[in-house]
Amino acid sequence: DAGVIQSPRHEVTEMGQEVTLRCKPISGHNSLFWYRQTMMRGLELLIYFNNNVPIDDSGMPEDRFSAKMPNASFSTLKIQPSEPRDSAVYFCASRTSGPRTDTQYFGPGTRLTVL
Amino acid sequence: LAKITQPISMDSYEGQEVNITCSHNNIATNDYITWYQQFPSQGPRFIIQGYKTKVTNEVASLFIPADRKSSTLSLPRVSLSDTAVYYCLVGRLSDYKLSFGAGTTVTVRA
Repeated sequence: DAGVIQSPRHEVTEMGQEVTLRCKPISGHNSLFWYRQTMMRGLELLIYFNNNVPIDDSGMPEDRFSAKMPNASFSTLKIQPSEPRDSAVYFCASRTSGPRTDTQYFGPGTRLTVL
Repeated sequence: LAKITQPISMDSYEGQEVNITCSHNNIATNDYITWYQQFPSQGPRFIIQGYKTKVTNEVASLFIPADRKSSTLSLPRVSLSDTAVYYCLVGRLSDYKLSFGAGTTVTVRA
């Protein structure tokens, strides 16, 4: 399996522009998470999907952020309009669970720089 | 959410055992304890997960005392390639309530 795939790996944009980050979870995983990582705040959970349905978006910082999961193999995180403080590494993770395990697998991340 | 405390950094030498303790005083009854490893420019990678007592796999051991208010990740005989940031995570994915520690930077020297 290729693991969780994210694109682009790097994104540089100017303040006010729309940014769309993409994620393909591991096949067969039915849960997907979006995280943001910064030096100041560490890893923050933004939103969680289960069976393509958003379950908890309480971590989304503000209305400029939105996420969708139109099918089991694709999710997007959109920022519109972007601001310099949105600069961070954004990770997508998908989850597998069983009788004695409950863990998630992370993608390589998208490094976003907003100028 | 569980409040998590872990050391900011630890130094070690090749071949030594490294033990990282994570404090999670208000862990919930159904919470798992999971450790992740992260290298620069990569996503966190699952190392080990446990609920109570001791868990061992091919890369690490996880010790959890009876009160579960702390846990210790043990890396046996570390090598230079084990230099990374190690994160303690407490929570249950099915409940969507997760707490990540701030991470412990482990530096292994020759």
